[in-house]
Amino acid sequence: GQQLNQSPQSMFIQEGEDVSMNCTSSSIFNTWLWYKQDPGEGPVLLIALYKAGELTSNGRLTAQFGITRKDSFLNISASIPSDVGIYFCAGPTDSWGKLQFGAGTQVVVTP
Amino acid sequence: DVKVTQSSRYLVKRTGEKVFLECVQDMDHENMFWYRQDPGLGLRLIYFSYDVKMKEKGDIPEGYSVSREKKERFSLILESASTNQTSMYLCASSFYYHRWETQYFGPGTRLLVL
Repeated sequence: GQQLNQSPQSMFIQEGEDVSMNCTSSSIFNTWLWYKQDPGEGPVLLIALYKAGELTSNGRLTAQFGITRKDSFLNISASIPSDVGIYFCAGPTDSWGKLQFGAGTQVVVTP
Repeated sequence: DVKVTQSSRYLVKRTGEKVFLECVQDMDHENMFWYRQDPGLGLRLIYFSYDVKMKEKGDIPEGYSVSREKKERFSLILESASTNQTSMYLCASSFYYHRWETQYFGPGTRLLVL
């Protein structure tokens, strides 16, 4: 099946710093999704991307759909303590609505 | 607000026990999914269902079964729990005809098998 490689695996950053993470696939995706999982909760959708080259923002979050359609990037600017959590990229694997998830990037923000 | 609830947040079971994990959604979604989440592996799909009494295997169905007798409820069954099934289990639901962004997750059940 399709493999999603997400990096980095974890990040320890200071409050106020910017964060960048990316996801690459061995196959083309038509949609890229970014989810965040707060500690002890289920993942929540942050941003959805539908077109190659698309750049979409949600507050301090910006995500891009790579031109090759095999990668995507998520940036968080001016991190705050509530940015702590695990960030997952995901993409659909079929028309039923099944998603393939990356392994996640654990973000820890220190004051 | 869409709500996906899971019957337990934490569960401790013994090897060989039969385990039921229940998931209920209140938005009349057609699709329901069961994932397991392990550190470094992300979310892996166990089973999904796109209608009542319908089920499809995901990527890691071995050792699990599911039941969907009512539209709002999707149960994951571990017939004979083993220690390697210790994990976080997440349920999700979505509309059949919407785009993939509408997959809503429950809070998860952390299962420990001793």
